[in-house]
Amino acid sequence: DAGITQSPRHKVTETGTPVTLRCHQTENHRYMYWYRQDPGHGLRLIHYSYGVKDTDKGEVSDGYSVSRSKTEDFLLTLESATSSQTSVYFCAIQSGGNYGYTFGSGTRLTVV
Amino acid sequence: GEDVEQSLFLSVREGDSSVINCTYTDSSSTYLYWYKQEPGAGLQLLTYIFSNMDMKQDQRLTVLLNKKDKHLSLRIADTQTGDSAIYFCAEREDSNYQLIWGAGTKLIIKP
Repeated sequence: DAGITQSPRHKVTETGTPVTLRCHQTENHRYMYWYRQDPGHGLRLIHYSYGVKDTDKGEVSDGYSVSRSKTEDFLLTLESATSSQTSVYFCAIQSGGNYGYTFGSGTRLTVV
Repeated sequence: GEDVEQSLFLSVREGDSSVINCTYTDSSSTYLYWYKQEPGAGLQLLTYIFSNMDMKQDQRLTVLLNKKDKHLSLRIADTQTGDSAIYFCAEREDSNYQLIWGAGTKLIIKP
């Protein structure tokens, strides 16, 4: 979808295990974002990146870390997964002259 | 801080017009957006409007912007079953280029 892919699409993991989600872009955009989407909460920003090795926290960053060692990859890690982190995770890139975002297809994560 | 508000649900009959409303708080926003999310999918940019415009039309979609009242609306003419989705309003925060999102309006189409 417009040069952005997320993997895996679905994952079930156990409480206490680390989990890494990957976002890959092919368009060399500077800004990348990780969101989670939960019923009743809309989209909530977890972390974002404004360049290689440049990242910052969003509103719900506790329990999550990110890394961006290459322009094209933005990784989200749940250090020790909890049931409250069961959610759908979306990656986005800022693209186009209108500064809007292009979203990946999402990763549905279930923590049991 | 900045906030974007939308109604959570809208129900319309097939063939009628749908009007989804949004209010925002950052009067300096230069771009405002409408995104569509179909079940099981990511968000897709439907349309956007620049802050110096009052209206933008694109086929069945009409966006109206009232800067004085900080009100944005999306009208979908001749609503079809394929329009059933969640519609998100967003404003661009010019200080850090981030988008501030509404909670989304679920559009329900009645036959």
